[in-house]
Amino acid sequence: GEDVEQSLFLSVREGDSSVINCTYTDSSSTYLYWYKQEPGAGLQLLTYIFSNMDMKQDQRLTVLLNKKDKHLSLRIADTQTGDSAIYFCAQRRGGYQKVTFGTGTKLQVIP
Amino acid sequence: EAGVAQSPRYKIIEKRQSVAFWCNPISGHATLYWYQQILGQGPKLLIQFQNNGVVDDSQLPKDRFSAERLKGVDSTLKIQPAKLEDSAVYLCASSPWDSTNEKLFFGSGTQLSVL
Repeated sequence: GEDVEQSLFLSVREGDSSVINCTYTDSSSTYLYWYKQEPGAGLQLLTYIFSNMDMKQDQRLTVLLNKKDKHLSLRIADTQTGDSAIYFCAQRRGGYQKVTFGTGTKLQVIP
Repeated sequence: EAGVAQSPRYKIIEKRQSVAFWCNPISGHATLYWYQQILGQGPKLLIQFQNNGVVDDSQLPKDRFSAERLKGVDSTLKIQPAKLEDSAVYLCASSPWDSTNEKLFFGSGTQLSVL
């Protein structure tokens, strides 16, 4: 299957950590991505993880991958109001590297 | 490095009319994707090209949508005739054909409103 699922909404206070979760169905995924979309804008690649890794850290962002449970998470440390956006999880799979996206999680940061 | 270029930025048409979108991928990128993003949803893959050949068009409504990628560079996506439910943002993306290169680059999209 190709489904990628996310919760729809997350609200956090400025300065707290945010954790956005994603589950995917295809265990043959090669790369898993997190994209950010601000209102009226295109998709911006935030970070990604190769399927043979468990964790990747990039400044305030930490990606955790649990391949057994097909679960991916994105942690944003010290969340700022500028982090308010929709975050999409995506998986890349197959011989032709097809990329499919989740439904998106809207992150609201409260000042 | 220039990014993925798309035009037009916005398009408003009436139902049953035709419309075409254009995409110029990043130079040298062999793979080109067209996605449809309906308001409040994630992007849905419509068609994927490898150079000038189609490798996946399983979710393309072929009775009304068509796409081509001449010479393996630019691409056009056409809708004929348009329906109300085609109102969405159409996103083009490109990627090198290299399993060690993980990145997918997106254009700003074309916002289509069908009235």
